[in-house]
Amino acid sequence: DTEVTQTPKHLVMGMTNKKSLKCEQHMGHRAMYWYKQKAKKPPELMFVYSYEKLSINESVPSRFSPECPNSSLLNLHLHALQPEDSALYLCASSQVDMGWVNTEAFFGQGTRLTVV
Amino acid sequence: GENVEQHPSTLSVQEGDSAVIKCTYSDSASNYFPWYKQELGKRPQLIIDIRSNVGEKKDQRIAVTLNKTAKHFSLHITETQPEDSAVYFCAALSGSARQLTFGSGTQLTVLP
Repeated sequence: DTEVTQTPKHLVMGMTNKKSLKCEQHMGHRAMYWYKQKAKKPPELMFVYSYEKLSINESVPSRFSPECPNSSLLNLHLHALQPEDSALYLCASSQVDMGWVNTEAFFGQGTRLTVV
Repeated sequence: GENVEQHPSTLSVQEGDSAVIKCTYSDSASNYFPWYKQELGKRPQLIIDIRSNVGEKKDQRIAVTLNKTAKHFSLHITETQPEDSAVYFCAALSGSARQLTFGSGTQLTVLP
């Protein structure tokens, strides 16, 4: 299984809603990532989890809250988002070898989020 | 942190011609350089990668070259086809930082 699975594929939410994005991989990868991608722009790193611990938080607003319940799952909890948060949210995972990430990141299909 | 610059931002070629996209990086500790292709509405997908101990790698019509001294790497696509039309992103990985930094992307259009 070389897939990273994200749900839902599309999400429309109001600014007062709480929702969660989910990501799952069964490749044994111990690094997992959340990226935000706006149209015609590169993926922008939000969070990195390594061995289920948050290792990088790229100054993301607190209305985005990541969670890594186990080595296969990664969630992104959303609360009180703004219209400018509308984007494609991509999850990815990588193999970690002796503490180093040295291989490709496998991306999920993404969740197209629209905040109204 | 790492900074990756990518050029050109748009590239149009005739079917059958070659396309070259260039990237430079700033962090000499970066040791892995993947190239991703992203079609409209789809996920980025790896098309080729190269590690810092290799100068060139080829896979059919696609090749990547790396110059560690100059800190630049390039993607070469030969005999381009309309289905090669997409956005291409270069990236650089600093292993200790566990962080992949992307270039700004190149919209490649192959004209039939």
